[in-house]
Amino acid sequence: ETGVTQSPTHLIKTRGQQVTLRCSSQSGHNTVSWYQQALGQGPQFIFQYYREEENGRGNFPPRFSGLQFPNYSSELNVNALELDDSALYLCASSRTGVDEKLFFGSGTQLSVL
Amino acid sequence: GDSVTQMEGPVTLSEEAFLTINCTYTATGYPSLFWYVQYPGEGLQLLLKATKADDKGSNKGFEATYRKETTSFHLEKGSVQVSDSAVYFCALSDPGGGGGATNKLIFGTGTLLAVQP
Repeated sequence: ETGVTQSPTHLIKTRGQQVTLRCSSQSGHNTVSWYQQALGQGPQFIFQYYREEENGRGNFPPRFSGLQFPNYSSELNVNALELDDSALYLCASSRTGVDEKLFFGSGTQLSVL
Repeated sequence: GDSVTQMEGPVTLSEEAFLTINCTYTATGYPSLFWYVQYPGEGLQLLLKATKADDKGSNKGFEATYRKETTSFHLEKGSVQVSDSAVYFCALSDPGGGGGATNKLIFGTGTLLAVQP
């Protein structure tokens, strides 16, 4: 059983740019959730995708958007980057309708300069 | 809204010492409660969970009991090891909390545990 993989592991962008982060779900998982973890803080829920549709969203502006593909992999896109977007972005996959367990990837560390 | 409050760290202990990390929560419904662990450079791993009042979650010598009357889920371990050094996050999942997402987790700010030999 493969785990959740995220790419890239590290990324440096400048303010105003756009970024795309990628996540491959664990085999057999149909739901992907994205979290933002600022330095010294707990992860905060951004949004979740199930059956290629957004299935819940946290308190993040519309410039945070996502996609889920038929193979259940996912992308997180952030437009017009701000300095405060610097954080570790975590992807988690799960099986809706089976159990609550989330499997997290190691994250993408985004630095906005 | 729902929230989780956990004790601030860092917590520094000697090997074989007793560990307690306090966690309290606020929720509108009947949440499930979790402890996650994050080792340096890695993602979060589920350590243990409890889904209803008075349930005790346990794993790798760690335990936590879901106390509805005190809205708490304190993490304990009788004898810590150097390999337990990590950041520990308390979290809740509240199906009645709205927002539409399944398994949406609300995390505390994390507690860094450092165990010295």
